[in-house]
Amino acid sequence: KQEVTQIPAALSVPEGENLVLNCSFTDSAIYNLQWFRQDPGKGLTSLLLIQSSQREQTSGRLNASLDKSSGRSTLYIAASQPGDSATYLCAVYNFNNQGGKLIFGQGTELSVKP
Amino acid sequence: DGGITQSPKYLFRKEGQNVTLSCEQNLNHDAMYWYRQDPGQGLRLIYYSQIVNDFQKGDIAEGYSVSREKKESFPLTVTSAQKNPTAFYLCASSMTAGQPQHFGDGTRLSIL
Repeated sequence: KQEVTQIPAALSVPEGENLVLNCSFTDSAIYNLQWFRQDPGKGLTSLLLIQSSQREQTSGRLNASLDKSSGRSTLYIAASQPGDSATYLCAVYNFNNQGGKLIFGQGTELSVKP
Repeated sequence: DGGITQSPKYLFRKEGQNVTLSCEQNLNHDAMYWYRQDPGQGLRLIYYSQIVNDFQKGDIAEGYSVSREKKESFPLTVTSAQKNPTAFYLCASSMTAGQPQHFGDGTRLSIL
């Protein structure tokens, strides 16, 4: 059974710092991995999607990497800003006999202090 | 603008009452999903539908029901059999299974 873990559960950093969020998964047979951002009381916004055949994806100040063999993904945020404060969730997509589903980690709550 | 609309934003349920949460999308996506989010936990899949007139149970389907009569709509009914319905409910859609999922803004359900 696939399990997704995100460490740390919460992180507080000063503005301008580069930071890394971690995501690990137990079953390496994934189809893709997606990173999301969630603001309080809101839905999820997709940040980056990495296909199982890819090693990384970049969008602006965000870079996500994937190492399937070790069951790990990282989200790197460069030059953090207060507006980056949110909860970040990773989710892996597994195919199964029902057609597949996203399995989520519990999230990392990020606070960037001015 | 294309997107997913969930309504209402807040919903209150009395004991023994069924309530229905609305989810509409105009992205022309085939697949739609319902998730439940509890404090400090990740999202858990309730039901999903890969095509009109078809849907599958997710990990926590007990006490919930859905229908998919139109491509754009995937309403979720929280029945009186769901004993702990207080949660944040999120609807999502994707072009097909395995493609990126796009989320609505959620409905927060509470018990009176």
